[in-house]
Order: sequence, then C-alpha cells, then structure tokens
Amino acid sequence: ETGVTQSPTHLIKTRGQQVTLRCSSQSGHNTVSWYQQALGQGPQFIFQYYREEENGRGNFPPRFSGLQFPNYSSELNVNALELDDSALYLCASSLGTGGDTQYFGPGTRLTVL
Amino acid sequence: GESVGLHLPTLSVQEGDNSIINCAYSNSASDYFIWYKQESGKGPQFIIDIRSNMDKRQGQRVTVLLNKTVKHLSLQIAATQPGDSAVYFCAESLNQAGTALIFGKGTTLSVSS
Repeated sequence: ETGVTQSPTHLIKTRGQQVTLRCSSQSGHNTVSWYQQALGQGPQFIFQYYREEENGRGNFPPRFSGLQFPNYSSELNVNALELDDSALYLCASSLGTGGDTQYFGPGTRLTVL
Repeated sequence: GESVGLHLPTLSVQEGDNSIINCAYSNSASDYFIWYKQESGKGPQFIIDIRSNMDKRQGQRVTVLLNKTVKHLSLQIAATQPGDSAVYFCAESLNQAGTALIFGKGTTLSVSS
C-alpha cells in the first residue's frame, strides 16, 4: 500500500453534471499529480499541484480544475461532464515536483451516463 | 525465458520462466524512468526506477535496463509467478518542476502455472 487514498471509489454521474474527486497524499509528500486513465490505455497527465499552486498541466480543458490544501490533500473538479470523461481518475503523490517517484492511489472510477 | 525485441501488447509465460517486457520511450531528454505494475481495478504500483546516468538497476527479482542510444527500456522479471500477472507500464519523466509522467503502451503479462 502506498498510503495514497482516494474517494469515492466509484461514482456515476450524468452528462452536464459536476463532480469532485478527493485525494490524500502519502505522509511527507507535498506534491500531488492527477491522471486520467481510459479503459485499456495508460494514464494521461491532467495537472500537478505543489504547495497549493498548480505546477504543470496536461492537455485537458479548463473545465478540469483542482485544488490543493495546506495538508497537501487535493481535489479534482470536473464541470459539464461529457461521456468521454468516463475513466479511472488516479492521483499520485511525490516528495518533489520533478524527477521524483510518484506513488499512486487506487483511483476513482467515474462513469458518465 | 520469453523475450520480445519490440513492444507487444501481451506476453504469456509459464510460471518459473524469466519475462522480458520492452518499452520505447519518446523523449531523448527524459532522464528518469519508472516501471509500474497495474492489476485490474487498482492504481499503478511502483516496481523499479532508473535514472539516465545508469544503464542497469536491479531489485528483488526485477532488473531494468536502459539503452539511451535507441531510447529503449526493458523490465526483466526472474522466475515469474502467477502473482506477477498484470499490466506493466513504463513511464518517462524530466527532472524538472511540474513534469508529468508520460506513460508508454502497457503490456499485459499472463503467467500460467
């Protein structure tokens, strides 16, 4: 176990709704990265948070947003859900922001109907 | 043992065989590489990593080889066990702030007893 936890485990939403996913980082880690993993694919980087600031972003639209809190836990928010947003959302925590091992949580399975 | 020279999406081996999983990475500037194991319904699990100043690194039953000339990474698993059955991903990164992990195509390893 990595010590990275995510909630909820599963979630079902309808198109157009908004969703918030949560992640608690491993103790001592100050950086959280979020990834989207579609079925049968490798994880795709959404963004990274370091000390409560967005510190890098992948090719995802602005309706994907996030937060990091003083205790380094993080949220991923997705507005105006689309069917293609159905995926496993993974968060990973690391000790630093680049070239540091990222440890993944179990993921949240989001289904958009 | 079973080995492949190019990336294959699936690899089937017998228990006790040695397995070799290959990966081609995309960015010649990448300087940090990680292998992850992902079991069904779970997040990626860290296996072993290597930095660009090394050619080989060994762990418990696993060895990672890095060939920077041809941008190739391999994971060798000794005495493969049924519990090794999973999808294996290689990931590359730059040692820079805010850098994402870029995941390669996964290889599904099936171990039969």
